[in-house]
Amino acid sequence: NAGVTQTPKFRILKIGQSMTLQCTQDMNHNYMYWYRQDPGMGLKLIYYSVGAGITDKGEVPNGYNVSRSTTEDFPLRLELAAPSQTSVYFCASRKWEQGANQPQHFGDGTRLSIL
Amino acid sequence: GQQVMQIPQYQHVQEGEDFTTYCNSSTTLSNIQWYKQRPGGHPVFLIQLVKSGEVKKQKRLTFQFGEAKKNSSLHITATQTTDVGTYFCAGTGGGNKLTFGTGTQLKVEL
Repeated sequence: NAGVTQTPKFRILKIGQSMTLQCTQDMNHNYMYWYRQDPGMGLKLIYYSVGAGITDKGEVPNGYNVSRSTTEDFPLRLELAAPSQTSVYFCASRKWEQGANQPQHFGDGTRLSIL
Repeated sequence: GQQVMQIPQYQHVQEGEDFTTYCNSSTTLSNIQWYKQRPGGHPVFLIQLVKSGEVKKQKRLTFQFGEAKKNSSLHITATQTTDVGTYFCAGTGGGNKLTFGTGTQLKVEL
């Protein structure tokens, strides 16, 4: 099992450019999440999904979009990149279990700089 | 919205000293999880606490969940250099989302 795979690992964008951060998991997890982590800070939830076709906003969704067409994939789209979006982006997934909150499994992250 | 704070923000210890980080939520939690993030790495799940007053141990690590389910702590006995990293608590009020704490960065000096 590869777990949660994120691509690319590093990227530099110019202001106003767009890009898609890819996330795929091979654990058949229903739940998937996108977080951003600014230097020395905690993780802030951008968007999450409880299953294919279902997405919802987290704490900091502005400037981002997501889609969930399959169980495995949960791409994050940045439109019109801004310097404030410079951050490390983590994708995570977890399985659903009734009555329990299962641990989240994280990818290695995408380090994104907007210049 | 729900806020989860951790103290201290940073802690430097000599190898062999003990370390404790405290986690406080603005609202009652249904459960709390702890994660460790090594420098340059990603968060890795350590443990989950569910019951009021629960205490769990993993070797030198002791985790506690407060009676009111609004606070938690992680205590490391006799730190080692392998303990270096940032420790996050993360809580949920029962929904599908985790709210991560602000984290405590631990540095261990020989």
